[in-house]
Amino acid sequence: AQKITQTQPGMFVQEKEAVTLDCTYDTSDPSYGLFWYKQPSSGEMIFLIYQGSYDQQNATEGRYSLNFQKARKSANLVISASQLGDSAMYFCAMREGPGNQFYFGTGTSLTVIP
Amino acid sequence: GAVVSQHPSWVICKSGTSVKIECRSLDFQATTMFWYRQFPKQSLMLMATSNEGSKATYEQGVEKDKFLINHASLTLSTLTVTSAHPEDSSFYICSARPREDMNTEAFFGQGTRLTVV
Repeated sequence: AQKITQTQPGMFVQEKEAVTLDCTYDTSDPSYGLFWYKQPSSGEMIFLIYQGSYDQQNATEGRYSLNFQKARKSANLVISASQLGDSAMYFCAMREGPGNQFYFGTGTSLTVIP
Repeated sequence: GAVVSQHPSWVICKSGTSVKIECRSLDFQATTMFWYRQFPKQSLMLMATSNEGSKATYEQGVEKDKFLINHASLTLSTLTVTSAHPEDSSFYICSARPREDMNTEAFFGQGTRLTVV
């Protein structure tokens, strides 16, 4: 079974609007971490935000916030006030297991429209 | 933030030759580094976990004799693609995590685009 599922291959958002990128995960480990990374066309992976499985509050980092719903096993990324530079691939990832490996979803391609 | 440097950024090699990719943590020590492979418009697939001073742990389906990993120090891991073939052409990216804190995010190198002709 897929550990991380991103069901939106592509998303479009108007500049200055907010957008939500979906992510669901599957794990039986009580301790895990959820991450979002941005990958522009240049290829580097840019860390955006982290949510620990025991964190009570949703994580926020500037314009990024993570809507963590533990019972639903979802960790959606919300980008507020979209900018043209936000156009990129976005990957949801989970860290779990004794080796703390990262597992990535299939990604969502976000395009911000002027 | 922490910096991970990957070299080279891109490489073109002839079929049958070997290519070495380096992954260095510049400002922290990393007991564990990870190697991923990414095909165009697809996700990162974990190939192996590189542990300093011990053998790498390979994911199912990854040929350990083809993708040689060496983690000789706390700041350097190398991936050698042996006897490369055109189907090995891909984007390879490494990541590392600071030794002191296992709960931080992984920091990624810039990636290496390998083309085998």
